[in-house]
Amino acid sequence: EAQVTQNPRYLITVTGKKLTVTCSQNMNHEYMSWYRQDPGLGLRQIYYSMNVEVTDKGDVPEGYKVSRKEKRNFPLILESPSPNQTSLYFCASSWGGETQYFGPGTRLLVL
Amino acid sequence: AQKVTQAQTEISVVEKEDVTLDCVYETRDTTYYLFWYKQPPSGELVFLIRRNSFDEQNEISGRYSWNFQKSTSSFNFTITASQVVDSAVYFCALSEAMNRDDKIIFGKGTRLHILP
Repeated sequence: EAQVTQNPRYLITVTGKKLTVTCSQNMNHEYMSWYRQDPGLGLRQIYYSMNVEVTDKGDVPEGYKVSRKEKRNFPLILESPSPNQTSLYFCASSWGGETQYFGPGTRLLVL
Repeated sequence: AQKVTQAQTEISVVEKEDVTLDCVYETRDTTYYLFWYKQPPSGELVFLIRRNSFDEQNEISGRYSWNFQKSTSSFNFTITASQVVDSAVYFCALSEAMNRDDKIIFGKGTRLHILP
């Protein structure tokens, strides 16, 4: 079954404690992205990757890092989380310009 | 600049009524894609439809139908004979084919309540 998986689905952490949200897709897609969803602001792109070892900033990259060492994986790293990073995060993958397939979402609460 | 506007923030209808969700978009590209996603209370984003800019044919899928009109830059979504399970937030979205970042621009969403 074609899918995008994210882990964890729910996470409560404290300010400054590094965390990683994993994302994996099994469709051999070249493109992968991270979005955050906030009330009143909708979904905004954080980072994207066009292929292995190729990543670039989206609209709201501050406070986040990503890596793309393998085609299927695209982890999102928060080196020092802050309360304003409390959000619902989605990973997505696609061929590029085509339908983006979204993961189930990760709800993050930073205290 | 790309932009997607969903003017209806929230809509409530009684079950079995028809309801149309409006979507207006802006883009300078001649090749682009339009999408509708559904976000139920559980939070995941469920893909409903994709339309490319060269295909203005309307589409029907069961109780769902979509009306794409380039002349008015609109891509409206109609649910016929609504059901309580249709209650969700619906997002219209736009992607430009030449976008290097493969970014989808989402509208702010329309929260649909189907009342029993």
